[in-house]
Amino acid sequence: EVQLVESGGGLIQPGGSLRLSCAASGFTVSRNYMSWVRQAPGKGLEWVSVIYSGGSTYYADSVKGRFTISRDNSKNTLYLQMNSLRAEDTAVYYCARVVGAEGHLDYWGQGTLVTVSS
Amino acid sequence: SYVLTQPPSVSVAPGKTARITCGGNNIGIKSVHWYQQKPGQAPVLVIYYDSDRPSGIPERFSGSNSGNTATLTISRVEAGDEADYYCQVWDSSSDHYVFGTGTKVTVL
Repeated sequence: EVQLVESGGGLIQPGGSLRLSCAASGFTVSRNYMSWVRQAPGKGLEWVSVIYSGGSTYYADSVKGRFTISRDNSKNTLYLQMNSLRAEDTAVYYCARVVGAEGHLDYWGQGTLVTVSS
Repeated sequence: SYVLTQPPSVSVAPGKTARITCGGNNIGIKSVHWYQQKPGQAPVLVIYYDSDRPSGIPERFSGSNSGNTATLTISRVEAGDEADYYCQVWDSSSDHYVFGTGTKVTVL
């Protein structure tokens, strides 16, 4: 059974850093495209980042240069390193598996809440 | 960047048909995916590649895509279909994934 479990969220001051984790089971992270998607309180879904099976990474303009997506193959875990956090980064962060070219996100984690506030 | 526009809300009576549109420039040449999100829950894929249904999704959910508009159709709407719905595409020009603005479906 495919399962994704995020962790690492919490309250952080503006300018701070946080690392989110997404532990996967039932499939191999390194053989798939994996993505982070966030949702600010009361708002819609916003794509954040993707890492392809070959290792290429892409970011939304709103986080480029501040966030880094990575994976640990030995732990079958996806990460999102978030630096220089801003109030507008406050959101529930979901990890998801992406399937195929022009991919759809077929499995999602339950999400972890990041609150950026002083 | 590529933009997907959805109506903020759609209201439908039980047993009727709800149609949710997703507008984008020449979206008909892209693959469109749809997600259902209920309050406090993660999104769930309901339609992929314009009109395919994942296992476990009722046949009442269907999709189409042509020209500048993709459409998610929910037939014989039930109270349990009340949720937010999002369309999504992959923008090949930027390698970015794009979500629509979202539509809240209310069952009257």
